[in-house]
Amino acid sequence: DGGITQSPKYLFRKEGQNVTLSCEQNLNHDAMYWYRQDPGQGLRLIYYSQIVNDFQKGDIAEGYSVSREKKESFPLTVTSAQKNPTAFYLCASSIYGNYGYTFGSGTRLTVV
Amino acid sequence: DQQVKQNSPSLSVQEGRISILNCDYTNSMFDYFLWYKKYPAEGPTFLISISSIKDKNEDGRFTVFLNKSAKHLSLHIVPSQPGDSAVYFCAASASYGGSQGNLIFGKGTKLSVKP
Repeated sequence: DGGITQSPKYLFRKEGQNVTLSCEQNLNHDAMYWYRQDPGQGLRLIYYSQIVNDFQKGDIAEGYSVSREKKESFPLTVTSAQKNPTAFYLCASSIYGNYGYTFGSGTRLTVV
Repeated sequence: DQQVKQNSPSLSVQEGRISILNCDYTNSMFDYFLWYKKYPAEGPTFLISISSIKDKNEDGRFTVFLNKSAKHLSLHIVPSQPGDSAVYFCAASASYGGSQGNLIFGKGTKLSVKP
């Protein structure tokens, strides 16, 4: 079955440590996205990539980094520079120019 | 500045009645609108969409209405069922511009359908 997989579902890290969230899709989608959800804040775009080896900053990119070395994979690194990293992170993918996103099931990151 | 606004954080409706969720937008370049449904600790799932060339799109119990002059859209669920209880996100996109294809989401409305 085609889909988009985020792992792990829950992640705990100590303050000051970098952490990488995984996102893999086998839908052959060109574009991939990372969103962050906080209570009462909706979904805010962190980074997006429309093609391999290229990515763009979203609205809240500070403290995050990404790579897009393969079409199927778009990992997100939450660095120690991110001031409020505790949140629910969602990865999505779509065919370029098509607005129908497919979302993963999310990763809840808690930094203590 | 919020380009997509869902001004009602929550809505409570009796089972069998109509649920109406509202969404306003400010960017006149938006030409495609979508509604997503989200359960806790899960990713959003696509519900229904509408292009700016239409003013209504229907899919079973779900109907989306678009009023371009008012920059307003609404999602109607008839009849509402307890399983419809979730957070509903309105999203918009523009065909042109550097961020084409990127969806801008509202903050969501939590719908509770009571038996």
